[in-house]
Amino acid sequence: GQNIDQPTEMTATEGAIVQINCTYQTSGFNGLFWYQQHAGEAPTFLSYNVLDGLEEKGRFSSFLSRSKGYSYLLLKELQMKDSASYLCAVSSPSGTYKYIFGTGTRLKVLA
Amino acid sequence: GAVVSQHPSWVICKSGTSVKIECRSLDFQATTMFWYRQFPKQSLMLMATSNEGSKATYEQGVEKDKFLINHASLTLSTLTVTSAHPEDSSFYICSAKTGPGELFFGEGSRLTVL
Repeated sequence: GQNIDQPTEMTATEGAIVQINCTYQTSGFNGLFWYQQHAGEAPTFLSYNVLDGLEEKGRFSSFLSRSKGYSYLLLKELQMKDSASYLCAVSSPSGTYKYIFGTGTRLKVLA
Repeated sequence: GAVVSQHPSWVICKSGTSVKIECRSLDFQATTMFWYRQFPKQSLMLMATSNEGSKATYEQGVEKDKFLINHASLTLSTLTVTSAHPEDSSFYICSAKTGPGELFFGEGSRLTVL
């Protein structure tokens, strides 16, 4: 079956670094995505990994290990506006490249 | 990036009525669109994959007669919630992609059934 797991909630302090983990078990793999979603809004794209390793984009970095079915999103220099839900999603090549989302991690940044 | 527009953003309806939500890709052609449902503080649950010119593919547990999906053109997919009931109240989000890469989301539609 398809299974994507993330911690439900995390709390961190402004200016700190936080790592949000995601483990997955899917039938097929065609890439892993991280999205940010503020309450009541649609998700916005953060990063995409299809090969093993680290992808860096400003304050955000994402890591992938396909052999371990594991990814993490690293947020540096946390700001209050980073308080949001972070969704891990896997693209599964089932003909139409279906995207399956994880449970999401609600991050609260404290002053 | 690509733009996906969803309408309406908010809709309130009476129990038993039907509601239609539109999803448009504004600057690209989307042969495939996805419809998600999201309950408060939960993640996105894929409801169905909408394919242009053919029937939608529904996820297990999603009633196809309840949630009618039509993808009549390369830029428009619609989701109709038929005979809506309070338990159908949710945040519905559509998405589209230009290829096997990034998924672009609409703004979402919040449905409240009284």
